[in-house]
Amino acid sequence: EAQVTQNPRYLITVTGKKLTVTCSQNMNHEYMSWYRQDPGLGLRQIYYSMNVEVTDKGDVPEGYKVSRKEKRNFPLILESPSPNQTSLYFCASSPMSASYNEQFFGPGTRLTVL
Amino acid sequence: DQQVKQNSPSLSVQEGRISILNCDYTNSMFDYFLWYKKYPAEGPTFLISISSIKDKNEDGRFTVFLNKSAKHLSLHIVPSQPGDSAVYFCAARTGGSSNTGKLIFGQGTTLQVKP
Repeated sequence: EAQVTQNPRYLITVTGKKLTVTCSQNMNHEYMSWYRQDPGLGLRQIYYSMNVEVTDKGDVPEGYKVSRKEKRNFPLILESPSPNQTSLYFCASSPMSASYNEQFFGPGTRLTVL
Repeated sequence: DQQVKQNSPSLSVQEGRISILNCDYTNSMFDYFLWYKKYPAEGPTFLISISSIKDKNEDGRFTVFLNKSAKHLSLHIVPSQPGDSAVYFCAARTGGSSNTGKLIFGQGTTLQVKP
């Protein structure tokens, strides 16, 4: 089954404790991206990657890191989480094409930083 | 600055009637518009899209209309069904040489279809 998986689905942590949210896709997509969803703000892009070893900032990259060492994986790293990073996070992927129309989203990771 | 806006946080319609969800945008460089649907505890799923060179795209019960002069698009669902109850996100993309695949999302509209 073609899918984007994220782990963990739910996480409660404390300020300053480093964490990683994993994202993996089995569709051989070149393009992967991380979004956060906050009430009243919709989804905002954090980082994206057009291929292995190619990453770039989205609209809200502060406080986050990513890496793309393999095509299928795109982990999101919070080196020192803060309460304002409490949010719902989505990973997405799509084939590298002229349109990027249909981005496939993972099920989401709800993060709470105390 | 919210480049894509969905000004109605929620919409309630009766089963069988038409649902109209609206979206406004400010950036004239957007060349592709998409609608995503999201159920609770799931990720958004692609629903329908429209290129800026068109003014209408239809897929079954779903039709998207684009009015470029007004920088406005709408999603029509006819007839509405209870299973359509979800959050609907409008999204826009900047294409051409500046295409990074980034989608700019609106805030979302929660649609409730009552049986």
